[in-house]
Amino acid sequence: TQLLEQSPQFLSIQEGENLTVYCNSSSVFSSLQWYRQEPGEGPVLLVTVVTGGEVKKLKRLTFQFGDARKDSSLHITAAQPGDTGLYLCAGPPGTYKYIFGTGTRLKVLA
Amino acid sequence: DVKVTQSSRYLVKRTGEKVFLECVQDMDHENMFWYRQDPGLGLRLIYFSYDVKMKEKGDIPEGYSVSREKKERFSLILESASTNQTSMYLCASSLSTGRVEGYTFGSGTRLTVV
Repeated sequence: TQLLEQSPQFLSIQEGENLTVYCNSSSVFSSLQWYRQEPGEGPVLLVTVVTGGEVKKLKRLTFQFGDARKDSSLHITAAQPGDTGLYLCAGPPGTYKYIFGTGTRLKVLA
Repeated sequence: DVKVTQSSRYLVKRTGEKVFLECVQDMDHENMFWYRQDPGLGLRLIYFSYDVKMKEKGDIPEGYSVSREKKERFSLILESASTNQTSMYLCASSLSTGRVEGYTFGSGTRLTVV
């Protein structure tokens, strides 16, 4: 069974700090995605990475896919309270569907 | 804007009731999914459908059934609700392009079974 493990589970930081969230698996994935979920809402897709070693940037968020396509990281520079939420990674074990990591709950304090 | 709409944000039902959760998408997506989300367990796939009238079991289908009579609508049915089905239910859809495409999620239905 393919699993995606995320760390840390919880993170509480001050506004302006940097942070990195990790998504790891023992299995190879053809692609990985990152979602952010705000309280009371569904997850929203942030990015898809498909090539080993790929780096994508979305404003202050930097996403990297591991060379072996077994892991990914999300780095946030100068975090803001609007970054607060649950960050989920997801990967496709099959054609249609994804499995999700257990998530990292981030709280950025003003 | 692409949308997945879930019919209710909050529901309270009694044990043993038959419960219908409705999901509609306006993007002409082929694939639709039902997940439940519980603290510490993440998102778990209940059922998915890759075409009208087609359905596949996910990881936790017991106690649930689904219906997809039209492309835009995917219904989740709890045949006889139980307290362990209290959860956040999320519907999602995706395009079928030969690659795995990202999901668009609805806002979720928080179901409480008492």
